[in-house]
Amino acid sequence: AQSVAQPEDQVNVAEGNPLTVKCTYSVSGNPYLFWYVQYPNRGLQFLLKYITGDNLVKGSYGFEAEFNKSQTSFHLKKPSALVSDSALYFCAVRDQTGANNLFFGTGTRLTVIP
Amino acid sequence: NAGVTQTPKFQVLKTGQSMTLQCAQDMNHEYMSWYRQDPGMGLRLIHYSVGAGITDQGEVPNGYNVSRSTTEDFPLRLLSAAPSQTSVYFCASSAGTVRSGANVLTFGAGSRLTVL
Repeated sequence: AQSVAQPEDQVNVAEGNPLTVKCTYSVSGNPYLFWYVQYPNRGLQFLLKYITGDNLVKGSYGFEAEFNKSQTSFHLKKPSALVSDSALYFCAVRDQTGANNLFFGTGTRLTVIP
Repeated sequence: NAGVTQTPKFQVLKTGQSMTLQCAQDMNHEYMSWYRQDPGMGLRLIHYSVGAGITDQGEVPNGYNVSRSTTEDFPLRLLSAAPSQTSVYFCASSAGTVRSGANVLTFGAGSRLTVL
């Protein structure tokens, strides 16, 4: 069975500093990995995905993520945080059913401090 | 573009009542799904559909029913509401299934349900 772990419930970072939101996964076979962001009282929005190829994936709003197969990790990063990046971030892995079902982590709340 | 539309946005029910959460998408997406979001638990899959007339259970299907009579609509029915079903519900859709690659899910804005 697949699983996703987001070890930090809360991450605080000063505006302008680099940010990292951690994610590790467990899945049989090749992983399909995703990051989504949720702003208050909104649905989830897609940030980026890893399917295959380059381990560094670039996405929306200046975010990127690094796929590390040996460490089974897919950490989300941004070189310079903005106050507007404050939100709830979810890592997800596609499950094994053959459909497009995603298995989500528990989420990490990012707060960027002005 | 409307995308994925969920109604109602808020609902309060009494234990034992039934209701239907509506979900409609205007993108001609094959795949549709329902998730529930609870604090500290992330999103959990309730039911999903890979096309009209086809539905299947997700991780937490008990107490919920779905149907997919058209490509556009995927309603979620609560048969007899319980306090444990108090949650925020999200509908999501995508263009295809695994044959089309790892397609991105488009989410609705959510429906907040409280069961007293």
